[in-house]
Amino acid sequence: DQQVKQNSPSLSVQEGRISILNCDYTNSMFDYFLWYKKYPAEGPTFLISISSIKDKNEDGRFTVFLNKSAKHLSLHIVPSQPGDSAVYFCAATPAGNQFYFGTGTSLTVIP
Amino acid sequence: NAGVTQTPKFHILKIGQSMTLQCTQDMNHNYMYWYRQDPGMGLKLIYYSVGAGITDKGEVPNGYNVSRSTTEDFPLRLELAAPSQTSVYFCASRLGQGPSSSYEQYFGPGTRLTVT
Repeated sequence: DQQVKQNSPSLSVQEGRISILNCDYTNSMFDYFLWYKKYPAEGPTFLISISSIKDKNEDGRFTVFLNKSAKHLSLHIVPSQPGDSAVYFCAATPAGNQFYFGTGTSLTVIP
Repeated sequence: NAGVTQTPKFHILKIGQSMTLQCTQDMNHNYMYWYRQDPGMGLKLIYYSVGAGITDKGEVPNGYNVSRSTTEDFPLRLELAAPSQTSVYFCASRLGQGPSSSYEQYFGPGTRLTVT
């Protein structure tokens, strides 16, 4: 049973435009959400996170939005750069012990 | 700091054999995790540890065992390997105390394991 879902396996965006990656979850006990970026043959690296008490968190070109009523979060990347091309995973945790990951979205930024 | 290191990087195992995947972190993190990633899938938690001497099951623990005798090391043991255990295995760690930013996990580069 997939508690964190990323329904778009892939996304292509022109350089300089906005990339929007989406994530849905089913468990209302999740209280913290994270985005990770993964390049081939490497481990995931942390990108940005958000607590359930907030609805937005911004870090440079990256912004995460959380809509608790819809159980939905999104990652916005503005402007998108070719180096952003990677697989992005959404993750969630109910209390910081166990983490549940989505299946990932492969982002391609076209120069 | 080397961060999280994993050995080996690649391994081919015969069905029924056993092996241990090694994971070491030098960041003095309390929490450590083992995940597996199958093709086209997300990471699934196998086991985790909140500190030396304490381990607990994740989503997919069957066929695996772990131990945590030190803060630094968290080996994953596969007993009687099966083809279904062919996967990429990632070890991760996080500080585990303090502000919520400590929820960030640091991942190793992964071990690609084939059971045939």
